[in-house]
Amino acid sequence: DVLMTQTPVSLPVSLGGQVSISCRSSQSLVHSDGNTYLHWYLQKPGQSPQLLIYRVSNRFSGVPDRFSGSGSGTDFTLKISRVEPEDLGVYYCLQSTHFPLTFGSGTKLEIK
Amino acid sequence: QVQLQQSGAELVKPGSSVKISCKASGYTFTSYDMHWIKQQPGNGLEWIGWIYPGNGNTKYNQKFNGKATLTADKSSSTAYMQLSSLTSEDSAVYFCARTAGGWGQGTLVTVSS
Repeated sequence: DVLMTQTPVSLPVSLGGQVSISCRSSQSLVHSDGNTYLHWYLQKPGQSPQLLIYRVSNRFSGVPDRFSGSGSGTDFTLKISRVEPEDLGVYYCLQSTHFPLTFGSGTKLEIK
Repeated sequence: QVQLQQSGAELVKPGSSVKISCKASGYTFTSYDMHWIKQQPGNGLEWIGWIYPGNGNTKYNQKFNGKATLTADKSSSTAYMQLSSLTSEDSAVYFCARTAGGWGQGTLVTVSS
């Protein structure tokens, strides 16, 4: 199975600040079709995860441009700028290039 | 808009089975894969498998072979997951989800005598 290593585990932030979350995979996430199936989700307290970014850098419908994704191969980053209270929760990366699909262990974004 | 409505919480006995439903609306059910994910309290997310309702094809995480069975009813746009031979390790919240966006609200399964 592809191991997804997310760092940091916990990320204190001041409202209005900027943060980055790292996700590294144990093997390349480039699919044979040329696409890279690395996605980012946010799970707010008491809610289901919601899709933020798909295929590395594409914002899902309704996601503000404060969220951006980048990376390639095995190394990926989610950046959040001008952090707002609604951004707090646990962020997960997910790879769907290889079976079984695997998630990162999560990064908890909390107020400093 | 896309909605995935899951069945309610279940309290079941060890050794029994349970079947969870996920009713889809707001899109063409047969055109998108449906995934199932497990989340234990305080833990992360674990992928169980997916089904393509259009033709019934399934793919499982080997870890859940023999534990989970995925089916879909095109007539009611509902996906199902049956969990068998339940133990305390199966106590968790189970989600249905589309990788194209949209998750169910989750179904809590508690295995206890």
